[in-house]
Amino acid sequence: ETGVTQTPRHLVMGMTNKKSLKCEQHLGHNAMYWYKQSAKKPLELMFVYSLEERVENNSVPSRFSPECPNSSHLFLHLHTLQPEDSALYLCASSHPTSGRTDTQYFGPGTRLTVL
Amino acid sequence: RKEVEQDPGPFNVPEGATVAFNCTYSNSASQSFFWYRQDCRKEPKLLMSVYSSGNEDGRFTAQLNRASQYISLLIRDSKLSDSATYLCVVNSQDSSYKLIFGSGTRLLVRP
Repeated sequence: ETGVTQTPRHLVMGMTNKKSLKCEQHLGHNAMYWYKQSAKKPLELMFVYSLEERVENNSVPSRFSPECPNSSHLFLHLHTLQPEDSALYLCASSHPTSGRTDTQYFGPGTRLTVL
Repeated sequence: RKEVEQDPGPFNVPEGATVAFNCTYSNSASQSFFWYRQDCRKEPKLLMSVYSSGNEDGRFTAQLNRASQYISLLIRDSKLSDSATYLCVVNSQDSSYKLIFGSGTRLLVRP
């Protein structure tokens, strides 16, 4: 299944590094999402982009910076992260229809470890 | 109260068993409901949407009870491959984009 792809799949970084996560969707959707999943916790929505404009930002620390250059690509830029930021970062896409929250399709995720 | 609550399990059942999970949600105005499946160290994948009239897909049946604000998932004739975490998902009234995910119920199907 290659509807939503993410790279890299695994990332280990130090607290002073800068790295970027990439997501690409091939489903023709117009909304893209970043989620964080920590061990034994539910998925936490971080950012939502619709038609390349950010529509949701759930009080995420500024060390996480999203970028959506077009409706098929989404990036998450990381800098000066903390060990507690270690988690699985999932990208998703959907095609919201009027008045209805549509199904979201997830990429395989990037497993991030911050040392 | 959590917006979406699930029993974390694990539910440990033999192959061939029937198992049911419930999930409660707090917002009575919620309109969209889903069950997702997540395998260990993998991404969540849509199992089925849940409709007001209930729906069935093979061995899986989902029901919605709006009065009591819960949804259920019934799995018949469990297979080893059904072992996974099942996530209950409800839309948020704050935004048409936002889904609220439960913490999941873990199912282990043993031979």
